[in-house]
Amino acid sequence: EVQLVESGGVVVQPGGSLRLSCAASGFTLDDYTMYWVRQAPGKGLEWVSLISWDGGSTDYADSVKGRFTISRDNSKNSLYLQMNSLRTEDTALYYCAKAQRDGYNYDAFDIWGQGTMVTVSS
Amino acid sequence: SYELTQPPSVSVSPGQTASITCSGDKLGDKYACWYQQKPGQSPVLVIYQDSKRPSGIPERFSGSNSGNTATLTISGTQPMDEADYYCQAWDSSTGVFGGGTQLTVL
Repeated sequence: EVQLVESGGVVVQPGGSLRLSCAASGFTLDDYTMYWVRQAPGKGLEWVSLISWDGGSTDYADSVKGRFTISRDNSKNSLYLQMNSLRTEDTALYYCAKAQRDGYNYDAFDIWGQGTMVTVSS
Repeated sequence: SYELTQPPSVSVSPGQTASITCSGDKLGDKYACWYQQKPGQSPVLVIYQDSKRPSGIPERFSGSNSGNTATLTISGTQPMDEADYYCQAWDSSTGVFGGGTQLTVL
């Protein structure tokens, strides 16, 4: 079964840092671009970042550029999101998602994890 | 920055056809996809590349995209289709979601 499982979400103070992880199973992670998407409580979906299959290409939403860093370790079937200088507006459920087609960066998100909650509050 | 606009809500009677629109500048020149999200659940891809259905998605879900508008159509809407629906496209290496449409089946 193709599955993504996120972890690492906690309550953190403004200005703090956090690293989210996403464990992949049931498919060959290094064939696919991966993404992070977030959803603030009661709000819509917001794309956060992508990383190409080999980590050679990354993109970020303007709202997180310069503060968040996406990375991956294909040998560990894992995706990460390093979040620095956190703000209250970063409070959200963070999902990792998989590109539908191998080799495509700008693709549909065909598999989603269950999400991990990040709360930024003093 | 690029924006996708959806109606906040759409209502439909069971068995009727629901249409949810997504508007953006020259959206027809891009691929649009659609996600369904039920309360407390993760989003599910229901339409990709404007009009294609992933395996396991019922045939009553269809999509189109032309000009400035993409449309998700649900034919013979069932109560289980009640959910939030989001359109999504890519613009200049940035992923963009519409604000979402709450579909009510009543």
